[in-house]
Amino acid sequence: QQQVKQSPQSLIVQKGGISIINCAYENTAFDYFPWYQQFPGKGPALLIAIRPDVSEKKEGRFTISFNKSAKQFSLHIMDSQPGDSATYFCAASIRNSGGYQKVTFGTGTKLQVIP
Amino acid sequence: NAGVTQTPKFQVLKTGQSMTLQCAQDMNHNSMYWYRQDPGMGLRLIYYSASEGTTDKGEVPNGYNVSRLNKREFSLRLESAAPSQTSVYFCARGTGNTGELFFGEGSRLTVL
Repeated sequence: QQQVKQSPQSLIVQKGGISIINCAYENTAFDYFPWYQQFPGKGPALLIAIRPDVSEKKEGRFTISFNKSAKQFSLHIMDSQPGDSATYFCAASIRNSGGYQKVTFGTGTKLQVIP
Repeated sequence: NAGVTQTPKFQVLKTGQSMTLQCAQDMNHNSMYWYRQDPGMGLRLIYYSASEGTTDKGEVPNGYNVSRLNKREFSLRLESAAPSQTSVYFCARGTGNTGELFFGEGSRLTVL
């Protein structure tokens, strides 16, 4: 059972355009929603994150929009640049009985920004 | 590498061989994780460890064992490798109360 569904699988955007990646979750107990960026040959790196009591978070050109009632959240990359070309993962985490966060990932979106 | 070091970076095994992937953190965080990454499937949790001496199964634990002998190190062992275990393996450490993970650079394993 996939608890975090991510779309699209791949995305091609013109330089300067807006990249939008969508995720949906099922478990309302999730309490933290991070996004990770991964370049080829590297490990995923935390990009931006949001808690479910906030509807939007912006850091530079990256914005998370969160819709708690729809159980959906999305990443917007404004003024997309070729250097943003990477694979992006949404994730959702929940504190488990061991007292630490268990993180579930979406399947990833490969973004290509063309000049 | 966010303070997480994995070895080896590349390994080729034959079916049935065993090996251990090593992971070490240079911070002092309790939680550590092993994920595998396969095309189109994202990152799937194999095992995790809340603290030294404790481990628990994730989504895909079959065929793997782990060991957390001290706070710094968390190893993943394949006792009898199978082609289905061909993947890129990532170790990560937690940060405490949030769902933020810091990953190593990965270990690419091929099982022939």
